[in-house]
Amino acid sequence: DTAVSQTPKYLVTQMGNDKSIKCEQNLGHDTMYWYKQDSKKFLKIMFSYNNKELIINETVPNRFSPKSPDKAHLNLHINSLELGDSAVYFCASLSGLELFFGPGTRLTVL
Amino acid sequence: TQLLEQSPQFLSIQEGENLTVYCNSSSVFSSLQWYRQEPGEGPVLLVTVVTGGEVKKLKRLTFQFGDARKDSSLHITAAQPGDTGLYLCAGSYTGNQFYFGTGTSLTVIP
Repeated sequence: DTAVSQTPKYLVTQMGNDKSIKCEQNLGHDTMYWYKQDSKKFLKIMFSYNNKELIINETVPNRFSPKSPDKAHLNLHINSLELGDSAVYFCASLSGLELFFGPGTRLTVL
Repeated sequence: TQLLEQSPQFLSIQEGENLTVYCNSSSVFSSLQWYRQEPGEGPVLLVTVVTGGEVKKLKRLTFQFGDARKDSSLHITAAQPGDTGLYLCAGSYTGNQFYFGTGTSLTVIP
């Protein structure tokens, strides 16, 4: 059983396009996150939702818009993609002090 | 400047050697965690420490939280090829926002 799943695993697109990444967790956790891991492997928090409500919004361009239709899902939509958006995006959910990460989505902007 | 600095950034050792990875900050955290990430996967929690001076052992891995709760170390005894991966520390002030360290990439050569 997959705990935190993300689709797609790989995403290759042109600059200026709009794309979405989907995340689902079947762990029953209330809090979910989006993290961005850059080419130097640094993991930076982007957003956090608790029971469909946005609770953390780090300094992220407005082109990034998260959406949580229910507490098991947290999607990320990115408008007008730029070269610097290329990274691995991880979804995670929280239980106590433990983050459960998805497998990541490798986004490449050409 | 990152909130949590890890050293060394890269480490390549022979099987059977011992090693220590450091995670340093000028901030005081309520908890600190260590994660291991393998290629193509999300990070997986190894340990959480919450009390200054706390020491936790997980088989050949020993984790210590600094007395002032600003730093931590991870010591691996008799490293094995299966220990290869990216080790990430993460600090939290509030229990729902986690700041990751700069990462230590470990390679254990058989």
